[in-house]
Amino acid sequence: GESVGLHLPTLSVQEGDNSIINCAYSNSASDYFIWYKQESGKGPQFIIDIRSNMDKRQGQRVTVLLNKTVKHLSLQIAATQPGDSAVYFCAERPLVSDYKLSFGAGTTVTVRA
Amino acid sequence: NAGVTQTPKFQVLKTGQSMTLQCAQDMNHNSMYWYRQDPGMGLRLIYYSASEGTTDKGEVPNGYNVSRLNKREFSLRLESAAPSQTSVYFCATSSIQGRNSPLHFGNGTRLTVT
Repeated sequence: GESVGLHLPTLSVQEGDNSIINCAYSNSASDYFIWYKQESGKGPQFIIDIRSNMDKRQGQRVTVLLNKTVKHLSLQIAATQPGDSAVYFCAERPLVSDYKLSFGAGTTVTVRA
Repeated sequence: NAGVTQTPKFQVLKTGQSMTLQCAQDMNHNSMYWYRQDPGMGLRLIYYSASEGTTDKGEVPNGYNVSRLNKREFSLRLESAAPSQTSVYFCATSSIQGRNSPLHFGNGTRLTVT
């Protein structure tokens, strides 16, 4: 079956450094991808999305890269701050599904002062 | 602007009891969803409502029912709670019917079934 997975369950980053969170997906038919951030006790918060006709998209301090050849998605956070400590999820939407998003298990990012 | 509001925030039930989780949104979104989140398993879709008046099953619908009361409100009912339903439940909305629209989540209801 299809799955969305993350390469590493945890990531420790020094404050001020750049963070890279990776996500592998296996459904080549997926055409829409989203990154979410979830802080303790809260719901997932939308960070950035990208469509399959794009390779890169930038937001405020974040960049998402999509490599369809190897089915890889990454989230880059520039100048990581303590407030970036959270669990990060990637999600994909298969082309055949209008409503179903498949979520990965998440990567826990800890920012060291 | 509250976004997506879920009530209650916490609930403890005994096996066999029933309850309804409430979700209301003020984002004027058409689609609403119920997910559950369990450790190490990611978010799994229970039910969704593409628009007012329609509901459909997701990945894990057994043991649940839903009602799309109006455009703003989407409730999730557990008729006879089981310990396997201990989880964090999230309601979400999206603005465009179907494609290329991110979900916006509430802050969840933490349910424990003993």
